[in-house]
Amino acid sequence: AQSVTQLGSHVSVSEGALVLLRCNYSSSVPPYLFWYVQYPNQGLQLLLKYTTGATLVKGINGFEAEFKKSETSFHLTKPSAHMSDAAEYFCAVSGSYIPTFGRGTSLIVHP
Amino acid sequence: NAGVTQTPKFRILKIGQSMTLQCTQDMNHNYMYWYRQDPGMGLKLIYYSVGAGITDKGEVPNGYNVSRSTTEDFPLRLELAAPSQTSVYFCASSSPHRNEKLFFGSGTQLSVL
Repeated sequence: AQSVTQLGSHVSVSEGALVLLRCNYSSSVPPYLFWYVQYPNQGLQLLLKYTTGATLVKGINGFEAEFKKSETSFHLTKPSAHMSDAAEYFCAVSGSYIPTFGRGTSLIVHP
Repeated sequence: NAGVTQTPKFRILKIGQSMTLQCTQDMNHNYMYWYRQDPGMGLKLIYYSVGAGITDKGEVPNGYNVSRSTTEDFPLRLELAAPSQTSVYFCASSSPHRNEKLFFGSGTQLSVL
């Protein structure tokens, strides 16, 4: 069994501020973890993924995430938010071959 | 290389009508998926397929049917549409490795009135 919990359905930050989106997972096997981004009226696209090896993963647009096995977490961060980062973000876990998605976090960026 | 193509982009149905959402991919992916997205609920898996001729139910299959006669196509059929099926539907595909990402279509926004 596998599941994902994203803490906070909405996160609001000012432009230039740190972005932190939280994701906790459960999996009965070593997981593969993903963050996807969805811009308005579009499908999801991959931001970054953790498979094996280095626990700090860098993705597109300055985002990164750290896999912490002891905390079963895979939080997404970006040092400085930009207006163009406003979107819906989804964490996903793939323990089985069929990934499970979290409920999503809407990132709001204020000028 | 078009990726995953969904049609139509928008549709309004009356209660009780039927329709088929089309999905095709040109990446020769074995795995294909149908999700529905409702506000605040994330993505719910409706059906998936691991290859031509093989389909299986996901989390919310009631009211839907699928077929997979070719590697490229994975249509989703709605029979007797109900207001509860108002949603945004996404088709996705991937290679058969659980560490690989999903490729998503741009979605179909369906309203049942």
